[in-house]
Amino acid sequence: DAGITQSPRHKVTETGTPVTLRCHQTENHRYMYWYRQDPGHGLRLIHYSYGVKDTDKGEVSDGYSVSRSKTEDFLLTLESATSSQTSVYFCAISESDRRYEQYFGPGTRLTVT
Amino acid sequence: GESVGLHLPTLSVQEGDNSIINCAYSNSASDYFIWYKQESGKGPQFIIDIRSNMDKRQGQRVTVLLNKTVKHLSLQIAATQPGDSAVYFCAENIGGSYIPTFGRGTSLIVHP
Repeated sequence: DAGITQSPRHKVTETGTPVTLRCHQTENHRYMYWYRQDPGHGLRLIHYSYGVKDTDKGEVSDGYSVSRSKTEDFLLTLESATSSQTSVYFCAISESDRRYEQYFGPGTRLTVT
Repeated sequence: GESVGLHLPTLSVQEGDNSIINCAYSNSASDYFIWYKQESGKGPQFIIDIRSNMDKRQGQRVTVLLNKTVKHLSLQIAATQPGDSAVYFCAENIGGSYIPTFGRGTSLIVHP
């Protein structure tokens, strides 16, 4: 596996609570992404980053925010978790000259009760 | 994890057979395609890519074919092994964008 870790790997939280997921890479890749994966859907992009402090929205960004203060870390925050945000979240990275080729982390399974 | 495979097309094969997994892509402007493999409980893993100026590319035990006329990709796995059991999905990229669009995938089950 590429040097990507996600934490926590599993989390159960209550509706209305804030949640932060962390993605950490040791590859020094420029691009980082957050996806969610749900049954019946492909991977859907939440937010992505093209550099430190440079982020943009993806297809399903409502209810999520991100921050990237260092090359190696990309944080995803659910400001007030809802049951519809129960999902498996994947972080991915890619490098500048092969940015289509994404390497994924192991995922975080989040359950909002 | 396991729930990724629900509601997906399924291909069941016997160990040693060749497998063909298909993908229809949506945008005729897409110029770069990737196949990913996702094992249960893990993140997707890059398998092979192909550019739109090619119609075939071979890797280790895998071949990807691209038919731009009908916007169709296929992934062929030779001598399928139990370790090939996973969900396979394609991703398409449109030139100038680095945000791929992922398909829903096909679940491959290999019987020993």
